[in-house]
Amino acid sequence: ETGVTQTPRHLVMGMTNKKSLKCEQHLGHNAMYWYKQSAKKPLELMFVYNFKEQTENNSVPSRFSPECPNSSHLFLHLHTLQPEDSALYLCASTQRAGGPDTQYFGPGTRLTVL
Amino acid sequence: AQKITQTQPGMFVQEKEAVTLDCTYDTSDQSYGLFWYKQPSSGEMIFLIYQGSYDEQNATEGRYSLNFQKARKSANLVISASQLGDSAMYFCAMRSYNNNDMRFGAGTRLTVKP
Repeated sequence: ETGVTQTPRHLVMGMTNKKSLKCEQHLGHNAMYWYKQSAKKPLELMFVYNFKEQTENNSVPSRFSPECPNSSHLFLHLHTLQPEDSALYLCASTQRAGGPDTQYFGPGTRLTVL
Repeated sequence: AQKITQTQPGMFVQEKEAVTLDCTYDTSDQSYGLFWYKQPSSGEMIFLIYQGSYDEQNATEGRYSLNFQKARKSANLVISASQLGDSAMYFCAMRSYNNNDMRFGAGTRLTVKP
C-alpha cells in the first residue's frame, strides 16, 4: 500500500449505530487530519493530530470522536449521527503540522446517515 | 481570518486548449503556502502544485502552472493542452506557516470537451 488509504470507502448507517472510519498513511508523516466535505460547501477541517497528540478540534460535535494510536493511523468514531452528517470524510497527512508542507489525501469515505 | 475565493463554479474548455482557473485569497499573514488540488468523481483529492509566499518564480509542474500575483493576492491555476482526463473539480487552498488550518475555496468544476 502507498500513500494514504481509507476504509471503508462507502458507509451507510442509521442514527443509532456506532461505526468507525479508519485512515492509514504510508508516507512516514507525523501529522494527520480529518476533513468533512458536504455538498456545495468548502472542505471543513475537523481535527488535527501532530505526533499522536490532538492539536486542533474545530468545534466538532461530540458525536464525532477521533483517535490516533500512532503517527500512521487515525480513526474517526461515529455515534448517534444526524442525517446532516452525511458527507465525504477525507483524511490527510503531512510531514509535520504547520508550515508549508503539502497535505496528501486519502480517497475518502462517503458516509450516508439514514 | 483567511479566506479563499474561487469565483468560477464551472468552466468549459476544448480539448488541447489552455484554461485558467481563478483563485484569490485574503490573509494578514506574511508567510503562507498556496495549493491546488484536483478532485475527480472518485473523491480523492490529488495534489497538483504548490507556491510559497516568498517564491519569486511562478511554480510549474508539467502542464500545470500557477500564476502568482502577490500584490493582488491571486493564485490562478493554468492548465495547458487540456485533456479529457482533466475534467474534475479543482480546489485552491491556502495554509499559513503559523497554524494547522488549511482553508479551501468552494471549487471550480472543469469540463473538457472533445
